[in-house]
Amino acid sequence: EVQLVESGGGLVQPGGSLRLSCAASGFTFSSYDMHWVRQATGKGLEWVSAIGTAGDTYYPGSVKGRFTISRENAKNSLYLQMNSLRAGDTAVYYCARGLGGSPSSGSAFDIWGQGTMVTVSS
Amino acid sequence: QSVLTQPPSVSEAPRQRVTISCSGSSSNIGNNAVNWYQQLPGKAPKLLIYYDDLLPSGVSDRFSGSKSGTSASLAISGLQSEDEADYYCAAWDDSLNGRVVFGGGTKLTVL
Repeated sequence: EVQLVESGGGLVQPGGSLRLSCAASGFTFSSYDMHWVRQATGKGLEWVSAIGTAGDTYYPGSVKGRFTISRENAKNSLYLQMNSLRAGDTAVYYCARGLGGSPSSGSAFDIWGQGTMVTVSS
Repeated sequence: QSVLTQPPSVSEAPRQRVTISCSGSSSNIGNNAVNWYQQLPGKAPKLLIYYDDLLPSGVSDRFSGSKSGTSASLAISGLQSEDEADYYCAAWDDSLNGRVVFGGGTKLTVL
C-alpha cells in the first residue's frame, strides 16, 4: 500500500525548533518530488517546502531561512527541520508526494499523509 | 490573501451542477498546470484533478477541470451530499524563485 506517515509534531515554545519526519512506503521514494503543506485550524492549505529528486529545494518567503527540507532515499524518509518557530507556524503539517519528479514541473500531490500537529506557544 | 482567487463558498441542490472558479496570473495558471484538491471535514486533502483536466484513477467522472488563460474551473455534476467539502486549486508559480500557490479554498454546500 502506498503510504506516507508523518511524525515529530508537538508543542514547542516560540523561538524553538522541531524536526518533522515523513516515512514513505509502497513506492520508489527516490523517483518522486516531495512536499510539505500545512493548514492552520479553520484555514486553507499553505505550501511550506519542496524537494526534487535531484535534491533541489524550494521554499515560500514565509519560511525561507527558518525551515529546511531534506530527504534520505535509503531510508525512504522526508524531513522538515523547523527553527525560530513562531505562533503563526502553528498548524497541521502534511507531507505529500508530487507526481512530476521536479517541483517546478507543476507536480500534483497525489498521496498525502494524515498530518502531524505543530503547536507553537509559551 | 491567496495568490489564486477562489469564491469562499458555493451551494447547489442535489443532482445539479456547480462550478468553482480559480483565478490567477501569467506566472502561475497562465504558464503552469492547475491541480484541484478535495478536503472532506477532518481529513487530509485528496487529489481530484491534475494537469488542468486529468482525472486520477478512482475519482468519479462527475468531476471535471478546465483552464483558459489565467483562470481555471472545477465542475461537479450530479451533486451528491458526499461532495460537501472544501475544494482548493493549486499551481506552480514562476515568480520569487518558484513556489507552489494555493487558492483560499471554496466550501461547497449541497442544499
